[in-house]
Amino acid sequence: QVQLMESGGGVVQPGRSLRLSCTASGFIFSNYAIHWVRQAPGKGLEWVAVISYDGSNRYYAESVEGRFTISRDNSKNTLSLQMNSLRAEDTGVYYCAKDQQMATIKYFDYWGQGTLVTVSS
Amino acid sequence: AIRVTQSPSSFSASTGDRVTITCRASQDISNYLAWYQQKPGKAPNLLIYAASTLQSGVPSRFSGSGSGTDFTLTITYLQSEDSATYYCQQYYIYPPITFGQGTRLEIK
Repeated sequence: QVQLMESGGGVVQPGRSLRLSCTASGFIFSNYAIHWVRQAPGKGLEWVAVISYDGSNRYYAESVEGRFTISRDNSKNTLSLQMNSLRAEDTGVYYCAKDQQMATIKYFDYWGQGTLVTVSS
Repeated sequence: AIRVTQSPSSFSASTGDRVTITCRASQDISNYLAWYQQKPGKAPNLLIYAASTLQSGVPSRFSGSGSGTDFTLTITYLQSEDSATYYCQQYYIYPPITFGQGTRLEIK
């Protein structure tokens, strides 16, 4: 069955860096775009970034552009999110989510359980 | 960026009721809209995509309609397990992909 598992969350000081990972199984990872979506405590969903199935295209939310970098290793079925210059407003649960259709960027049919990032001094 | 606005922000209903949640996009997005259900402490679950196509495994009491800028999610014969927060999401133009602010549904 399709599984996505995030790791790497934790407490970090403002201005510091953190790297999240997402390990996938149960599907042909290299055929699908993968997204990061976050949710601040008690708030709604916010799309963060997406990387195309082959890694050739990457798109970011304006709020993280220039600070976050999404990458993937199709040989290891893993996705990463390098987060630099973290701010308090980056606090939240970060989900990786699989695009439903092959080779497209649309909507999400499988999500991980999320990993909590807390930016605080 | 395309703004997506949901209404109401929260409401309550009784089991067996028929309820509707609306989503309005700030510009024409054709049928490029999805709906999700999220329960506390859990990841969202895809219900509907392409505005009206039911995701595999989702109960048929959920349905979606609309195109252009106005969309609805309807739940017929409301069940206690439908208590959740519901989000719409547009994918017509990105970046960014955008979500509505959510609608919290409580079962009386």
